[in-house]
Amino acid sequence: GAGVSQSPSNKVTEKGKDVELRCDPISGHTALYWYRQSLGQGLEFLIYFQGNSAPDKSGLPSDRFSAERTGGSVSTLTIQRTQQEDSAVYLCASSADRANTEAFFGQGTRLTVV
Amino acid sequence: QKEVEQDPGPLSVPEGAIVSLNCTYSNSAFQYFMWYRQYSRKGPELLMYTYSSGNKEDGRFTAQVDKSSKYISLFIRDSQPSDSATYLCAMAHALNFGKGTSLLVTP
Repeated sequence: GAGVSQSPSNKVTEKGKDVELRCDPISGHTALYWYRQSLGQGLEFLIYFQGNSAPDKSGLPSDRFSAERTGGSVSTLTIQRTQQEDSAVYLCASSADRANTEAFFGQGTRLTVV
Repeated sequence: QKEVEQDPGPLSVPEGAIVSLNCTYSNSAFQYFMWYRQYSRKGPELLMYTYSSGNKEDGRFTAQVDKSSKYISLFIRDSQPSDSATYLCAMAHALNFGKGTSLLVTP
C-alpha cells in the first residue's frame, strides 16, 4: 500500500485479556516505530526496529508488552493481561532507513480496556 | 528532565494571525528536527523537516532551528481554520517527541 497500515482501527477488550495490534509499514522502509498516545498526551515511544538489528525496547512500560517484526516488514505489538491504564491510541510509524528520519505514521489503533 | 519540552497550549488565534509554536530540547547531539501535524483521531503527518540550524520555508510554514539555544520554532502565516490541529515537534530519528501544542484558529 501507499502508506502505513494499522489494524484493527479500534479494539475493545476486557481487562486481563491479551491483544495483538498489527502494523504494515511502507514497502521498503527498514525502520519501524511503535508509540502510545493517551488522551491529551504526546507520543510515548515504545519500541524501534531497524533492519536486522536488535530492537530498541527501552520504551516498553512493562514485561506485559512485547513486539516482533517478521521478515523485516510487518510488526505485531502484543499486550498481555491488559489493564485499564493500557487504554490509548497505539501508533506505528516507518521510515526509509536509520539516517532518513522522515517517519510516516499510520492512523493508529484505539485500544479500550473495559 | 524530559529531552524535548513543548507547551501544550491550547493556543487560540483569529484567522489570518501569525502563529508561533516552539520547542526546547536538552540533547545537543540532535541534528534532525521535524514538525508533525495531527488532526483529531488521525495519525501525525510530517509537516516540515530540517537538518541542523537555519530556516526552511514551505508555503505559509517556516521552520527555524537555533542549535546554540536548543530551540526550534514553527511559524504559520495567514493562519486558517483548517490549521486547527495539534502540532508536535520531533527530533533525532523520530524517537523524541514533544507533547504537542493544540492550536485553534477561529474564523
